Amino acid sequence: GAGVSQSPRYKVAKRGQDVALRCDPISGHVSLFWYQQALGQGPEFLTYFQNEAQLDKSGLPSDRFFAERPEGSVSTLKIQRTQQEDSAVYLCASSLGQGTPDGYTFGSGTRLTVV
Amino acid sequence: DQQVKQNSPSLSVQEGRISILNCDYTNSMFDYFLWYKKYPAEGPTFLISISSIKDKNEDGRFTVFLNKSAKHLSLHIVPSQPGDSAVYFCAGLTGKLIFGQGTTLQVKP
Repeated sequence: GAGVSQSPRYKVAKRGQDVALRCDPISGHVSLFWYQQALGQGPEFLTYFQNEAQLDKSGLPSDRFFAERPEGSVSTLKIQRTQQEDSAVYLCASSLGQGTPDGYTFGSGTRLTVV
Repeated sequence: DQQVKQNSPSLSVQEGRISILNCDYTNSMFDYFLWYKKYPAEGPTFLISISSIKDKNEDGRFTVFLNKSAKHLSLHIVPSQPGDSAVYFCAGLTGKLIFGQGTTLQVKP
């Protein structure tokens, strides 16, 4: 596609519920990143995929967070037993490679609200 | 451990004047520094970058300056336009992007 597509755009979850957030990267982009942006803060790195391999998951805040990209294209970020502090905008970005300064394209994000 | 810091949460300037947004960093391993612009309900969009071996990069109305000894960079927008009103993030790049907290720029007509 022309850009990075994320769905849903908005998600309201009850505390304790599991959620799944989807990212469709730009076709052919090898690298895929997930970021979490809390209100009034900058995006914080969660995890990175190169094709289907998850090469860096150092930013995942707890074992309730899980990401996958089984076929090296679409990625899903899953949050189990959601808590109020999980409320944030979750951004996905893709790039052809890694380290190209102008090559990272972000989606519009999924705004998750845990009530 | 905040590797990239933007200490000014907001900035207001008059249309036509210069906007200067500042950013400090602690990680000397960044290969590039980037500036992103973000409108509400949209993802960040790339604005301009600078290699860690350069001290200046210019693109139209936007210029980024890098002072490695001070671990400081700044984005200059001249002249500022109302459409420049947005949140600006600076980021360091070492494979992944590390962002600052953002500065909200308001350009008044």
